[in-house]
Amino acid sequence: QVQLVESGGGLVKPGGSLRLSCAASGFTFSDYDMSWIRQAPGKGLEWVSSISFSGSTIYYADSVKGRFTISRDNTKNLLFLQMNSLRAEDTAFYFCARDTSTWPHWGQGTLVTVSS
Amino acid sequence: DIQMTQSPSSLSASVGDRVTITCRASQSISSYLNWYQQKPGKAPKFLIYAASSLQSGGPSRFSGSGSGTDFTLTISSLQPEDFATYYCQQSYSTPYTFGQGTKLEI
Repeated sequence: QVQLVESGGGLVKPGGSLRLSCAASGFTFSDYDMSWIRQAPGKGLEWVSSISFSGSTIYYADSVKGRFTISRDNTKNLLFLQMNSLRAEDTAFYFCARDTSTWPHWGQGTLVTVSS
Repeated sequence: DIQMTQSPSSLSASVGDRVTITCRASQSISSYLNWYQQKPGKAPKFLIYAASSLQSGGPSRFSGSGSGTDFTLTISSLQPEDFATYYCQQSYSTPYTFGQGTKLEI
């Protein structure tokens, strides 16, 4: 069955950086687009970024464009989110999900807290 | 950006009730509308895609309808496990946006 496991979250100071990973299993990773979606504690869901199966097409939400970079390693079945210049408003649970715009499979999420 | 507005924001109901949640898009999104269910501390669960197609394995008491700008999620007979927060989401264009959520409470 499809499994997505995020890691790399934690506490970081404003202006700092963090790299999230998502380990995928149970499907042919290189055949599928992937996405990151976040949720601030107690708030709603916000799409962050999507990447095509080959990595050639990438989309970002305006709120993270220029600060976050999505990438993937199809040889290791890994999805990444490099987050730079972090702000307090980036504090959230970050979920990886399979596919670009419709998400039938989600990981359990990893918490990123941006605070001094 | 396409704004998604759900109503109501919260809803009190009882086991066995029929419940309808509404989602409105700020512009036409054809049938590019999905519904998710989320319980506290858990990832969202995919319920309905393309406005009215039930995800494989989903309970048949859940149904969706609508196209263009107005959509509904209906639960025909509430079960205890259905008390959760429900989100609509448009997959028509980036940025892919969600409604603010509807919290379904006892």
